[in-house]
Amino acid sequence: EDQVTQSPEALRLQEGESSSLNCSYTVSGLRGLFWYRQDPGKGPEFLFTLYSAGEEKEKERLKATLTKKESFLHITAPKPEDSATYLCAVRPTSGTYKYIFGTGTRLKVLA
Amino acid sequence: GAVVSQHPSRVICKSGTSVKIECRSLDFQATTMFWYRQFPKQSLMLMATSNEGSKATYEQGVEKDKFLINHASLTLSTLTVTSAHPEDSSFYICSALGTGQETQYFGPGTRLLVL
Repeated sequence: EDQVTQSPEALRLQEGESSSLNCSYTVSGLRGLFWYRQDPGKGPEFLFTLYSAGEEKEKERLKATLTKKESFLHITAPKPEDSATYLCAVRPTSGTYKYIFGTGTRLKVLA
Repeated sequence: GAVVSQHPSRVICKSGTSVKIECRSLDFQATTMFWYRQFPKQSLMLMATSNEGSKATYEQGVEKDKFLINHASLTLSTLTVTSAHPEDSSFYICSALGTGQETQYFGPGTRLLVL
Protein backbone atom coordinates (compact mmCIF):
# COMPACT_ATOMS: atom_id res chain seq x y z
CA GLU A 1 0.00 0.00 0.00
CA ASP A 2 1.28 3.46 -0.90
CA GLN A 3 2.12 5.42 2.22
CA VAL A 4 3.77 8.63 3.38
CA THR A 5 4.96 9.22 6.94
CA GLN A 6 6.38 12.47 8.23
CA SER A 7 8.44 12.90 11.36
CA PRO A 8 8.58 14.46 13.81
CA GLU A 9 4.97 15.59 14.21
CA ALA A 10 6.15 18.77 15.87
CA LEU A 11 9.51 20.43 16.28
CA ARG A 12 10.63 23.41 18.32
CA LEU A 13 13.93 25.04 17.42
CA GLN A 14 15.81 28.02 18.67
CA GLU A 15 16.57 30.61 16.04
CA GLY A 16 19.75 29.54 14.25
CA GLU A 17 19.45 25.91 15.32
CA SER A 18 19.59 23.82 12.14
CA SER A 19 17.57 20.62 11.81
CA SER A 20 15.93 18.24 9.36
CA LEU A 21 12.39 17.07 8.74
CA ASN A 22 11.82 13.57 7.44
CA CYS A 23 9.36 12.22 4.88
CA SER A 24 9.41 8.44 4.47
CA TYR A 25 7.44 6.93 1.64
CA THR A 26 6.45 3.55 0.30
CA VAL A 27 5.25 3.46 -3.29
CA SER A 28 5.59 1.00 -6.12
CA GLY A 29 7.07 3.72 -8.30
CA LEU A 30 7.64 7.44 -7.82
CA ARG A 31 6.55 10.12 -10.26
CA GLY A 32 7.39 12.95 -7.91
CA LEU A 33 7.83 14.01 -4.30
CA PHE A 34 6.64 17.42 -3.22
CA TRP A 35 7.29 19.71 -0.28
CA TYR A 36 4.89 22.45 0.75
CA ARG A 37 4.79 24.99 3.52
CA GLN A 38 1.43 25.84 5.10
CA ASP A 39 0.79 28.77 7.39
CA PRO A 40 -2.31 28.77 9.64
CA GLY A 41 -5.45 29.70 7.74
CA LYS A 42 -3.74 29.59 4.35
CA GLY A 43 -3.34 27.13 1.51
CA PRO A 44 -0.10 25.19 1.10
CA GLU A 45 2.71 27.05 -0.60
CA PHE A 46 4.84 25.07 -3.03
CA LEU A 47 8.50 24.64 -2.11
CA PHE A 48 10.12 21.82 -4.08
CA THR A 49 9.49 18.93 -6.46
CA LEU A 50 11.97 16.06 -6.54
CA TYR A 51 11.82 13.32 -9.14
CA SER A 52 14.66 10.87 -8.60
CA ALA A 53 16.98 9.56 -5.89
CA GLY A 54 20.02 11.73 -5.41
CA GLU A 55 18.27 14.90 -6.46
CA GLU A 56 18.65 17.98 -4.28
CA LYS A 57 17.04 21.40 -4.42
CA GLU A 58 17.66 24.55 -2.41
CA LYS A 59 15.81 27.72 -1.68
CA GLU A 60 17.14 30.21 0.83
CA ARG A 61 17.51 28.33 4.15
CA LEU A 62 15.78 25.20 2.87
CA LYS A 63 17.30 22.22 1.12
CA ALA A 64 15.37 19.13 0.05
CA THR A 65 17.00 15.79 -0.68
CA LEU A 66 15.62 12.50 -1.97
CA THR A 67 16.55 8.85 -1.64
CA LYS A 68 14.63 5.78 -2.75
CA LYS A 69 12.88 5.59 0.62
CA GLU A 70 12.76 9.06 2.07
CA SER A 71 13.20 12.75 1.65
CA PHE A 72 14.67 15.26 4.03
CA LEU A 73 13.93 18.94 4.32
CA HIS A 74 16.98 20.54 5.87
CA ILE A 75 16.52 23.91 7.51
CA THR A 76 19.73 25.84 8.05
CA ALA A 77 19.88 28.59 10.65
CA PRO A 78 16.09 28.94 10.83
CA LYS A 79 14.34 32.18 11.66
CA PRO A 80 11.00 32.69 13.42
CA GLU A 81 9.36 33.35 10.05
CA ASP A 82 10.16 29.76 9.06
CA SER A 83 7.56 28.62 11.61
CA ALA A 84 4.86 26.73 9.72
CA THR A 85 3.58 23.26 8.96
CA TYR A 86 5.64 21.50 6.32
CA LEU A 87 3.78 18.97 4.19
CA CYS A 88 5.26 16.21 2.08
CA ALA A 89 3.36 14.50 -0.73
CA VAL A 90 4.18 11.83 -3.28
CA ARG A 91 2.69 11.01 -6.62
CA PRO A 92 3.07 7.30 -7.36
CA THR A 93 3.29 5.92 -10.86
CA SER A 94 0.16 3.87 -10.21
CA GLY A 95 -3.23 5.56 -10.27
CA THR A 96 -4.37 8.52 -12.26
CA TYR A 97 -3.94 11.89 -10.52
CA LYS A 98 -3.18 10.14 -7.26
CA TYR A 99 -1.28 12.10 -4.61
CA ILE A 100 -0.58 10.93 -1.08
CA PHE A 101 -0.01 13.53 1.60
CA GLY A 102 1.75 13.12 4.90
CA THR A 103 0.26 14.59 8.05
CA GLY A 104 2.90 17.29 8.22
CA THR A 105 5.52 18.55 10.65
CA ARG A 106 4.61 21.60 12.72
CA LEU A 107 7.74 23.68 13.08
CA LYS A 108 8.09 26.43 15.65
CA VAL A 109 11.22 28.57 15.62
CA LEU A 110 11.77 30.58 18.75
CA ALA A 111 13.53 33.94 18.72
CA GLY B 1 4.11 31.95 -12.07
CA ALA B 2 1.72 29.15 -11.02
CA VAL B 3 -0.77 31.28 -9.12
CA VAL B 4 -4.11 29.90 -8.01
CA SER B 5 -6.83 32.09 -6.56
CA GLN B 6 -9.96 31.26 -4.60
CA HIS B 7 -13.04 33.33 -4.01
CA PRO B 8 -14.40 34.08 -1.53
CA SER B 9 -11.71 33.79 1.11
CA ARG B 10 -14.31 33.67 3.84
CA VAL B 11 -18.05 33.12 3.80
CA ILE B 12 -20.73 32.90 6.45
CA CYS B 13 -24.12 31.52 5.51
CA LYS B 14 -27.32 30.30 7.08
CA SER B 15 -28.12 26.64 7.37
CA GLY B 16 -29.99 25.38 4.31
CA THR B 17 -28.48 27.81 1.83
CA SER B 18 -26.00 27.00 -0.93
CA VAL B 19 -22.52 28.44 -1.26
CA LYS B 20 -20.32 28.54 -4.36
CA ILE B 21 -16.53 28.68 -4.16
CA GLU B 22 -14.46 29.55 -7.22
CA CYS B 23 -10.96 28.33 -7.96
CA ARG B 24 -8.97 29.92 -10.76
CA SER B 25 -5.54 29.25 -12.20
CA LEU B 26 -4.33 32.72 -13.11
CA ASP B 27 -1.27 32.12 -15.25
CA PHE B 28 -1.51 28.57 -16.50
CA GLN B 29 -4.05 26.17 -17.87
CA ALA B 30 -5.17 23.52 -15.43
CA THR B 31 -6.48 20.34 -16.98
CA THR B 32 -7.04 18.95 -13.51
CA MET B 33 -8.13 20.59 -10.30
CA PHE B 34 -8.49 19.11 -6.85
CA TRP B 35 -10.74 20.07 -3.97
CA TYR B 36 -9.65 19.46 -0.41
CA ARG B 37 -11.15 19.95 3.00
CA GLN B 38 -9.03 20.60 6.05
CA PHE B 39 -10.05 20.37 9.68
CA PRO B 40 -8.10 22.24 12.38
CA LYS B 41 -4.62 20.85 12.91
CA GLN B 42 -5.22 18.04 10.45
CA SER B 43 -3.83 17.33 7.04
CA LEU B 44 -5.58 17.77 3.72
CA MET B 45 -8.51 15.50 2.93
CA LEU B 46 -9.12 15.06 -0.79
CA MET B 47 -12.78 15.48 -1.67
CA ALA B 48 -12.76 15.21 -5.44
CA THR B 49 -10.71 15.47 -8.59
CA SER B 50 -12.09 17.37 -11.55
CA ASN B 51 -10.95 17.38 -15.13
CA GLU B 52 -11.95 20.09 -17.55
CA GLY B 53 -15.07 19.12 -19.44
CA SER B 54 -15.63 15.90 -17.47
CA LYS B 55 -17.57 14.86 -14.43
CA ALA B 56 -15.64 15.06 -11.19
CA THR B 57 -14.36 11.95 -9.45
CA TYR B 58 -15.38 11.96 -5.80
CA GLU B 59 -13.56 10.25 -2.96
CA GLN B 60 -15.31 7.61 -0.96
CA GLY B 61 -17.68 9.11 1.58
CA VAL B 62 -18.05 12.47 -0.18
CA GLU B 63 -21.62 13.15 -1.26
CA LYS B 64 -21.77 14.09 -4.92
CA ASP B 65 -25.14 15.79 -4.61
CA LYS B 66 -24.01 17.88 -1.69
CA PHE B 67 -20.67 19.02 -3.07
CA LEU B 68 -21.24 19.91 -6.70
CA ILE B 69 -18.12 20.44 -8.73
CA ASN B 70 -17.96 22.05 -12.14
CA HIS B 71 -14.77 22.41 -14.18
CA ALA B 72 -16.07 24.29 -17.16
CA SER B 73 -12.82 25.77 -18.44
CA LEU B 74 -9.07 25.23 -18.21
CA THR B 75 -8.78 28.01 -15.64
CA LEU B 76 -11.92 27.71 -13.53
CA SER B 77 -13.43 25.11 -11.24
CA THR B 78 -16.27 25.70 -8.82
CA LEU B 79 -17.40 23.88 -5.70
CA THR B 80 -20.98 24.40 -4.60
CA VAL B 81 -21.96 23.28 -1.14
CA THR B 82 -25.69 22.68 -1.42
CA SER B 83 -28.07 22.96 1.52
CA ALA B 84 -25.20 23.71 3.84
CA HIS B 85 -25.35 22.64 7.47
CA PRO B 86 -23.13 23.54 10.43
CA GLU B 87 -21.16 20.31 10.01
CA ASP B 88 -20.07 21.56 6.57
CA SER B 89 -18.19 24.40 8.24
CA SER B 90 -14.56 23.91 7.34
CA PHE B 91 -11.57 25.19 5.39
CA TYR B 92 -11.85 24.31 1.71
CA ILE B 93 -8.76 24.44 -0.48
CA CYS B 94 -8.43 23.90 -4.20
CA SER B 95 -5.34 23.08 -6.20
CA ALA B 96 -4.55 23.07 -9.89
CA LEU B 97 -2.39 20.84 -12.01
CA GLY B 98 -1.04 22.20 -15.26
CA THR B 99 -1.28 20.15 -18.42
CA GLY B 100 1.55 17.62 -18.48
CA GLN B 101 2.86 18.79 -15.12
CA GLU B 102 3.37 16.91 -11.87
CA THR B 103 3.17 19.67 -9.27
CA GLN B 104 -0.09 20.85 -7.74
CA TYR B 105 -0.37 24.52 -6.88
CA PHE B 106 -2.79 25.45 -4.16
CA GLY B 107 -5.19 28.30 -3.70
CA PRO B 108 -5.30 30.34 -0.48
CA GLY B 109 -8.36 28.52 0.82
CA THR B 110 -11.93 29.44 1.71
CA ARG B 111 -13.19 29.45 5.27
CA LEU B 112 -16.86 28.43 5.37
CA LEU B 113 -18.96 28.97 8.46
CA VAL B 114 -22.54 27.72 8.43
CA LEU B 115 -24.75 29.10 11.16
